[in-house]
Amino acid sequence: DAGVIQSPRHEVTEMGQEVTLRCKPISGHNSLFWYRQTMMRGLELLIYFNNNVPIDDSGMPEDRFSAKMPNASFSTLKIQPSEPRDSAVYFCASSLEGTGRQPQHFGDGTRLSIL
Amino acid sequence: GESVGLHLPTLSVQEGDNSIINCAYSNSASDYFIWYKQESGKGPQFIIDIRSNMDKRQGQRVTVLLNKTVKHLSLQIAATQPGDSAVYFCAENIPPRGADGLTFGKGTHLIIQP
Repeated sequence: DAGVIQSPRHEVTEMGQEVTLRCKPISGHNSLFWYRQTMMRGLELLIYFNNNVPIDDSGMPEDRFSAKMPNASFSTLKIQPSEPRDSAVYFCASSLEGTGRQPQHFGDGTRLSIL
Repeated sequence: GESVGLHLPTLSVQEGDNSIINCAYSNSASDYFIWYKQESGKGPQFIIDIRSNMDKRQGQRVTVLLNKTVKHLSLQIAATQPGDSAVYFCAENIPPRGADGLTFGKGTHLIIQP
């Protein structure tokens, strides 16, 4: 079975540039999550969607970050303009239902470096 | 220079021995818990979960114990293997935060010594 697929795996860009991260959740899953992982702060939830609708974006650090889920099989996380402090590993995860009592399954992440 | 990062607790175990990783969770209302394993360069991988109406659940070589009285969760790994070396995270669901909001712990680095 295909797991959560993220692209790109690595991204290196200069500050000020727009960055777009992509995620394909597991087929049939109706909840999708974006996380950021850093050494300083560990794993932080940025935003999650249920049935393609954003439910909680309180973890999004600031207006430079935006996320969309145009359909059940695709989501993007965009940073514009990017800054060096955005450097982190960004994970996407999906789960089967929106009760909070199903495991989330993670992709292998996008390692983002902003120079 | 580099920022000072999280100092993860480290547990070093001889190959073949059993290991126990502990987690103190934050909220007495939490009703669902998960253990994840994260290897270098990969995303967290689901290991086992447990609901708050249980105090023990077993999987293949793993057992999760839940003590709600002291808000403590543990993961026992039997007969450890080199492939068990990884960072292990506990996560809790805290209602009514939201349908699927998991709160993750900081992680424990498990090292299997040959």
